[in-house]
This record gives sequence, C-alpha cells and structure tokens, in this order.
Amino acid sequence: GQSLEQPSEVTAVEGAIVQINCTYQTSGFYGLSWYQQHDGGAPTFLSYNALDGLEETGRFSSFLSRSDSYGYLLLQELQMKDSASYFCAGGYQLTFGKGTKLSVIP
Amino acid sequence: KAGVTQTPRYLIKTRGQQVTLSCSPISGHRSVSWYQQTPGQGLQFLFEYFSETQRNKGNFPGRFSGRQFSNSRSEMNVSTLELGDSALYLCASGLAGGRETQYFGPGTRLLVL
Repeated sequence: GQSLEQPSEVTAVEGAIVQINCTYQTSGFYGLSWYQQHDGGAPTFLSYNALDGLEETGRFSSFLSRSDSYGYLLLQELQMKDSASYFCAGGYQLTFGKGTKLSVIP
Repeated sequence: KAGVTQTPRYLIKTRGQQVTLSCSPISGHRSVSWYQQTPGQGLQFLFEYFSETQRNKGNFPGRFSGRQFSNSRSEMNVSTLELGDSALYLCASGLAGGRETQYFGPGTRLLVL
C-alpha cells in the first residue's frame, strides 16, 4: 500500500519560517513532490526531490531522506498569500497525503 | 501554452443519473490522471491514461470509468451516481505521467442530490 502522513493544520506568523513534515510508506518510491492548493483552486506543483538532500526554489525549500522515509517543505519569509493547503505526494501513481492547511497570521 | 482545461466546471445531478466529465491536457502531454477530492478523504487517485491506454487504476468501484482519445483528451464517466460521489474532480496532465510532475486543471465540482 501507499500512505503519506502530514499534519492537518499549521499556523505561523507573517515573516516567520514554517516546516511541514511528511512521512511516507509507498511502493515503488521514486521521489517526493509537494503541491500547493489555495481554497477553491487547483493544486500547483512546488518542488520535487528525487534524491536525498535539500532543494531550494526561492522562499521554498524541500528536503528528502530516503533512509528515514521522511521529507519536509520549508517556507521562509511567510506571506499572507502562502495561506493554503500543502500536499506531499509520492509513489508510482502519485499518491497524495491528506494535506496540511497553513494559516499565516499577521 | 494553454493549461489543462476541464468542462463543465460545475454540475448538479440526482442520484442514479450518470455524468461525463471532460479534460483537455496541455499540448504535448500524453498522460492524463483523474483525482477525486473531498474534505474527508483528500485527493484520491482514480486512474491514469497514457497514449489511450489505462495505465493505473485507483481503488474505486466500477461505476467510475474513463477513456483517452488519440488527441490525448480524456473523459471520465460515473454511472448510477450516489450522494457520496459529490466532490471536486481534478484532471492532471503530464509528459510521462505517474511520478512525474502533474499539472492540474481547475476541476469539475459535482453535486449529487
């Protein structure tokens, strides 16, 4: 089977840093992806880690440790527009976690 | 390049009816995947088509079916609708599908009464 676990909600202050963790059990693991979805919108791709280590894209970074079946998404210099749901996804047919609702407060 | 388009955007049906949803992928993308999103279950994989062949199927009953045409456009059909089928149905396209980056359409919001 395939499952990805992530916290359901996270709240952080504007300008701060927040980390969203994801642990997984997937068959045929090829890497970990992260998607962002605003209320009423479609998921949009943020990042993909095929190998262990840190990938940085602007204010967003993503980390993967295959040995620990663990990854995280790091958002820096939080802005109000970052309030959204964030999904980790992996496995051959791209199974998604249940999503983490991030609320950024002033 | 135009994004993924889905029609219709909103749909209201009654129990027992059937519905067909359409998805046009990004030009050049050969893989189309379908997902059901509900508040309780999150994003659940329905099936994936690649070059007109169903390559993967999620854990949904046979009432859910799909197909892909030679131009990569895809349709999914749900027969004998149930109240629990009310959801946002998302289509995503990709170059190779599967684990590759998926580009999502805006979704079709289906309400079953």
